[in-house]
Amino acid sequence: EAQVTQNPRYLITVTGKKLTVTCSQNMNHEYMSWYRQDPGLGLRQIYYSMNVEVTDKGDVPEGYKVSRKEKRNFPLILESPSPNQTSLYFCASSFGRANQPQHFGDGTRLSIL
Amino acid sequence: SQQGEEDPQALSIQEGENATMNCSYKTSINNLQWYRQNSGRGLVHLILIRSNEREKHSGRLRVTLDTSKKSSSLLITASRAADTASYFCATVLPIYNQGGKLIFGQGTELSVKP
Repeated sequence: EAQVTQNPRYLITVTGKKLTVTCSQNMNHEYMSWYRQDPGLGLRQIYYSMNVEVTDKGDVPEGYKVSRKEKRNFPLILESPSPNQTSLYFCASSFGRANQPQHFGDGTRLSIL
Repeated sequence: SQQGEEDPQALSIQEGENATMNCSYKTSINNLQWYRQNSGRGLVHLILIRSNEREKHSGRLRVTLDTSKKSSSLLITASRAADTASYFCATVLPIYNQGGKLIFGQGTELSVKP
């Protein structure tokens, strides 16, 4: 089954404790991206990657890191999480670039205390 | 401010009625996409309309695009309780602009009552 898998689905942690949210897709997609969804602000792009070893900042990259060492994986790293990063996070992927239909994971709800 | 803005923010209708949601945007686009999000789940792609298209259909969905007014509408006909969800438009900037960046609006929350 074609899918985008995020882990964990839920996480409660404390300020400053490094964490990684994994994202994996099995559709051989070139384009992958991370979004955060906050009430009243909609979905905002954090980082995107057009292919292996190619990543770029989205609209709200501060406090986040990503890497794209393999085509299928695009982990989101919070080196020193803070409470303002409490949010619902989505990974998405597509063929080609952002102008193609995006396939979304089921989301990761992060709470930073 | 957001590239795509949906209207209304919330819509409540009875089963069998039609639901219309609107999206306005500010700059040139490559295409416009509509997505659905069920509560607590990821977004699901519904339909994509290119900048040179005016109307597109998919099952009970009808999307229109008016590039002169920079607006799009999503019509769901004969709505069902299962259509209850949030609906988002996403405008895609031209390819020369950040590889076709996708920008989401804040969504319309649709409630279909049985």
